[in-house]
Amino acid sequence: QKEVEQNSGPLSVPEGAIASLNCTYSDRGSQSFFWYRQYSGKSPELIMFIYSNGDKEDGRFTAQLNKASQYVSLLIRDSQPSDSATYLCAADNTDKLIFGTGTRLQVFP
Amino acid sequence: NAGVMQNPRHLVRRRGQEARLRCSPMKGHSHVYWYRQLPEEGLKFMVYLQKENIIDESGMPKERFSAEFPKEGPSILRIQQVVRGDSAAYFCASSLSAVTQETQYFGPGTRLLVL
Repeated sequence: QKEVEQNSGPLSVPEGAIASLNCTYSDRGSQSFFWYRQYSGKSPELIMFIYSNGDKEDGRFTAQLNKASQYVSLLIRDSQPSDSATYLCAADNTDKLIFGTGTRLQVFP
Repeated sequence: NAGVMQNPRHLVRRRGQEARLRCSPMKGHSHVYWYRQLPEEGLKFMVYLQKENIIDESGMPKERFSAEFPKEGPSILRIQQVVRGDSAAYFCASSLSAVTQETQYFGPGTRLLVL
């Protein structure tokens, strides 16, 4: 059973802080990893994807991938209350995505 | 450039009725994926289709569920004889090519409530 694991949270951080979201995956064959944000009652919205080991930065977001440790993370700098949502990590498995259950992030003023 | 469209957005059915969910992929996308999200749970893959072909239906329940993506028109997810446990959000996603190296974009979802 291919799995993607995330801590369900909630992860609470103050406004302006760095939020760190983590994810592990079981399938060593996975090559592509995605972070989606999902507001309550809404559909998932792509934030970032990463294929290569190391860091990838896009604005306030940085994705990190360590294939040896089967570990993916998302850092959100200067967190804002509008970042409060559930963050879904996904890994590709042949022809589909396997999603984690998501981490709920709460950014308080 | 319209995104992925799904309809209806909300669907209420009584036990035993049929539910039919529609998905129109983004323009130019020929790969469609259906996912189900139960309350407080993650997204679970159901089926992957290309035009006129089911590529992977490993996540689809063996009974009552079927999917199609005809040459013309939207992809359809059909649930026959619905039961209360089918109540969930059903999301469709599309991509330009196969998922590795290519992003999936999600539609707004259909919230199915079975009474």
